[in-house]
Amino acid sequence: QSVLTQPPSVSGAPGQRVTISCTGSSSNIGAGYDVHWYQQLPGTAPKLLIYGNSNRPSGVPDRFSGSKSGTSASLAITGLQAEDEADYYCQSYDSSLSASWVFGGGTKLTVL
Amino acid sequence: EVQLVQSGAEVKKPGESLKISCKGSGYSFTSYWIGWVRQMPGKGLEWMGIIYPGDSDTRYSPSFQGQVTISADKSISTAYLQWSSLKASDTAMYYCARPMVRGVITYFGYWGQGTLVTVSS
Repeated sequence: QSVLTQPPSVSGAPGQRVTISCTGSSSNIGAGYDVHWYQQLPGTAPKLLIYGNSNRPSGVPDRFSGSKSGTSASLAITGLQAEDEADYYCQSYDSSLSASWVFGGGTKLTVL
Repeated sequence: EVQLVQSGAEVKKPGESLKISCKGSGYSFTSYWIGWVRQMPGKGLEWMGIIYPGDSDTRYSPSFQGQVTISADKSISTAYLQWSSLKASDTAMYYCARPMVRGVITYFGYWGQGTLVTVSS
């Protein structure tokens, strides 16, 4: 059970907008640590999608955006496309007794 | 071009030892941390630990401390993940990954292709 909680699954039709939440606590996101997002297509290694809460690496379409507020962060995908079907993970740092970098449990996005 | 190339798939028996590798190229190997991430079958990503090849400073996730050993040989730009006695529960895909930012442990911008480790009697 991860200290960063994500919904197991979300879905949307092509062209729609979906959001994926990442809920933490006062020892991680709420403490001001940055949130990063990764996309993992089936059978491939993860790929950095968003870093520093809301920044996109070169090559990532602007359909993907990130935000952070309080103890939570969100990934939004607009203009949903079939190739967006993948697993998405948030990542941050947790400063509790078990201090470490942590991933969320992951969210499976299904494009209907 | 930054590349992380991992060693091939392994099939081992419980109790055996194993060392898998990750060779970095296209950048200054000693100037960037390099980490390991586990993904058990059908499960999510787990941050295992990370090493700075420049001085071998190593940090482990509490969940993996004492269970694995992370090392690096800067002369051949290679990082390692090692087990002394494998268990069936170590069956997983293991990824090495490098942060985007020099000298800082942060988000992983570069990933290896993964090494599948299967432990079965």
